Amino acid sequence: DVKVTQSSRYLVKRTGEKVFLECVQDMDHENMFWYRQDPGLGLRLIYFSYDVKMKEKGDIPEGYSVSREKKERFSLILESASTNQTSMYLCASSSTVWNSPLHFGNGTRLTVT
Amino acid sequence: AQTVTQSQPEMSVQEAETVTLSCTYDTSESDYYLFWYKQPPSRQMILVIRQEAYKQQNATENRFSVNFQKAAKSFSLKISDSQLGDAAMYFCAYLRVQGAQKLVFGQGTRLTINP
Repeated sequence: DVKVTQSSRYLVKRTGEKVFLECVQDMDHENMFWYRQDPGLGLRLIYFSYDVKMKEKGDIPEGYSVSREKKERFSLILESASTNQTSMYLCASSSTVWNSPLHFGNGTRLTVT
Repeated sequence: AQTVTQSQPEMSVQEAETVTLSCTYDTSESDYYLFWYKQPPSRQMILVIRQEAYKQQNATENRFSVNFQKAAKSFSLKISDSQLGDAAMYFCAYLRVQGAQKLVFGQGTRLTINP
């Protein structure tokens, strides 16, 4: 069974702090994704990666960056957290087989005060 | 850009009854995939069912089935014999065949099951 692990379930940070959200998958998936989930807006793609050291912007990349130094790990970085980044963050991975399902982590609920 | 719309923020159904969740999408492409994901209170997103656009036959997975109307760009999910464990947020999602392999999600529908 694929396991996608997000390091924190809940996180509280202050405005201006640098925040790291970590995600690890154990199925040797090439693709990894970071989504943000907000009520009434569904899931919106922040960044995704097809391979180590490779990244592409999603639909809402502003205020975020990512790092993928190893295949199994995909980190989301908030360089200077702001209150409008308070949200649920979901990491996902998938294989390169087209239409293969996404496997999601349990999410990190981030609150920026 | 593709968009996915779920016009029902909330739905409720009596246990053992049938409920249908609506989803429409906008695309100019002819080949794509559609998905329904379920997110229970545990927050773990789970794939419920998927449909290839080139297939005319509607996908079915046990109590879950879809009504795929390609011309109308509609992809509804029918849950038969609803169970308490079906209570969750349900998300419809679109995946294009060409280009970047990234899902576009709808806004979600919160389904409540009344005992």
